[in-house]
Amino acid sequence: AQSVAQPEDQVNVAEGNPLTVKCTYSVSGNPYLFWYVQYPNRGLQFLLKYITGDNLVKGSYGFEAEFNKSQTSFHLKKPSALVSDSALYFCAVRGGSNYQLIWGAGTKLIIKP
Amino acid sequence: NAGVTQTPKFQVLKTGQSMTLQCAQDMNHNSMYWYRQDPGMGLRLIYYSASEGTTDKGEVPNGYNVSRLNKREFSLRLESAAPSQTSVYFCASALTRQYEQYFGPGTRLTVT
Repeated sequence: AQSVAQPEDQVNVAEGNPLTVKCTYSVSGNPYLFWYVQYPNRGLQFLLKYITGDNLVKGSYGFEAEFNKSQTSFHLKKPSALVSDSALYFCAVRGGSNYQLIWGAGTKLIIKP
Repeated sequence: NAGVTQTPKFQVLKTGQSMTLQCAQDMNHNSMYWYRQDPGMGLRLIYYSASEGTTDKGEVPNGYNVSRLNKREFSLRLESAAPSQTSVYFCASALTRQYEQYFGPGTRLTVT
């Protein structure tokens, strides 16, 4: 069965420092992987996806994610964090059906000035 | 282009009352979804509709019904609300085979 894990409930980073939000997955077949962000009292917004091709995927707001097949990971990264990046981040993987995504529990990212 | 819209934004119900959450999208997407979000539990799929005229159960369908009224609209009904249904409900839509889903702003439901 497809599954995704976000091992950290919360990540704290100082403004200007690089940030990483971790995601690991378990799938049968080729993984289709996604990152979403949720700002307070808002719906989720799509950040980026990996389906095939280059292992480094660039997305919105300066975020990127690195697909690592051997480690079954898809970590979200940003070279220099902004206070405005503080939000809840979700990793997702395509489910068994073409129409579903399997979601991680979310990681709260806090960027301190 | 409004994207995905949901009504109402907030609702308070008493146990046993019924209500319908409305969702509409103007992106010509085929697939639509209803999720609930509870603290520490991420998103859980309630029902989805792969295309107009079809609906399927997700992970937590008990206590809910859905209607895919047309390609644009997908409603979620609580027939007899229970306190365990207190949650934030999100509707989402996607183009089939594109996988990325687009979300509405959510409905915050409290059942007392």
